[in-house]
Amino acid sequence: SAVISQKPSRDICQRGTSLTIQCQVDSQVTMMFWYRQQPGQSLTLIATANQGSEATYESGFVIDKFPISRPNLTFSTLTVSNMSPEDSSIYLCSVGTWGRASAFFGQGTRLTVV
Amino acid sequence: AQKITQTQPGMFVQEKEAVTLDCTYDTSDPSYGLFWYKQPSSGEMIFLIYQGSYDQQNATEGRYSLNFQKARKSANLVISASQLGDSAMYFCAMREEGAGSYQLTFGKGTKLSVIP
Repeated sequence: SAVISQKPSRDICQRGTSLTIQCQVDSQVTMMFWYRQQPGQSLTLIATANQGSEATYESGFVIDKFPISRPNLTFSTLTVSNMSPEDSSIYLCSVGTWGRASAFFGQGTRLTVV
Repeated sequence: AQKITQTQPGMFVQEKEAVTLDCTYDTSDPSYGLFWYKQPSSGEMIFLIYQGSYDQQNATEGRYSLNFQKARKSANLVISASQLGDSAMYFCAMREEGAGSYQLTFGKGTKLSVIP
């Protein structure tokens, strides 16, 4: 199973600023996913990041707000841009592979926007 | 229609007792995987157990077992001998693997509280 390291683990940011979250995997994976969990809610997929191509965003999420980079097969970043208090959430990354090996998440980034 | 349904927003269980958390799912994909996660207040998603749609036996991982009833599209999590540290949110999730997307779809979760 992949080991996924995510940072920062938490941050408090001023509205109008941007935060970049990093996700590092200890093995090469084709697909990486970014999820958002708003307070008291379940996880919602933001986008799928494939190496060498543009990220695919889910309905309600746009590239200008959540730009994603995927420079190689072990690393991805998610930027939350022009933040507002509504962006306060936990952001998590995971990998897309077959079966049980794909079950794991990074530690999550707890973002608070003030 | 929801793909993953968890009908119990909150559950209480006495310490050392067993508890079942319900999960039903909806898919037409013959190849899928079912996952259960524990999320403590720290926010980390801790993987507990996985069941593949073609697995003949119910999955078990230590104190966790998955009661998989394919015809009923049910994948309930059973926690045996509950401990105080089991108090957390629990999420059921599904991956539809036939389309090759590999993303997870989550239920709304169940908050489990273990009573001493």
